[in-house]
Amino acid sequence: DAGITQSPRHKVTETGTPVTLRCHQTENHRYMYWYRQDPGHGLRLIHYSYGVKDTDKGEVSDGYSVSRSKTEDFLLTLESATSSQTSVYFCAISDPLSTGELFFGEGSRLTVL
Amino acid sequence: AQSVTQLDSQVPVFEEAPVELRCNYSSSVSVYLFWYVQYPNQGLQLLLKYLSGSTLVKGINGFEAEFNKSQTSFHLRKPSVHISDTAEYFCAVSDGASGTYKYIFGTGTRLKVLA
Repeated sequence: DAGITQSPRHKVTETGTPVTLRCHQTENHRYMYWYRQDPGHGLRLIHYSYGVKDTDKGEVSDGYSVSRSKTEDFLLTLESATSSQTSVYFCAISDPLSTGELFFGEGSRLTVL
Repeated sequence: AQSVTQLDSQVPVFEEAPVELRCNYSSSVSVYLFWYVQYPNQGLQLLLKYLSGSTLVKGINGFEAEFNKSQTSFHLRKPSVHISDTAEYFCAVSDGASGTYKYIFGTGTRLKVLA
């Protein structure tokens, strides 16, 4: 299994509070991604990174920011959480010019009350 | 922007029957194509991938898919399903030509295998 760790795995928070999810990899892959999974919507790309300090928006980036100061860590921040951000968040990594596929973390379940 | 369409949100099928899960993507010069499976309350696992070469791709658990460039499709097939294949299946595409390597997913197909 690819070495990807997400933390926290479960979190319950109140509307308006900031939340940070962390993704840590031990594979030294250049590309890292944050997705959210919601029933009926599949997985939607929030943000991705193609190197240290290099990030770009995905399909549903509003209300989210990311940072990548080291190859191994990719942080997803909800500056002011809303109930619509209740979801399961997956981190993924890839080496597109080698194996090509995404490797996923185990997911982080976030509930915003 | 690249997009993926999985027309069937749910597919019920009897055990030992064949199944096809459909996936269409928006056109691009060069794409990577994937099928992932998610068993209940679990993460996502790669079933198979097309990067280049033969258009018929074989994956794990007896699944296969065929890349059809003219139809922009990558349908997943299994000749005989088992109860254990009950899961949600996601098609994904990555646009290699753009160099950005965004992976875009379809909305998923729930396969329900009936005894």
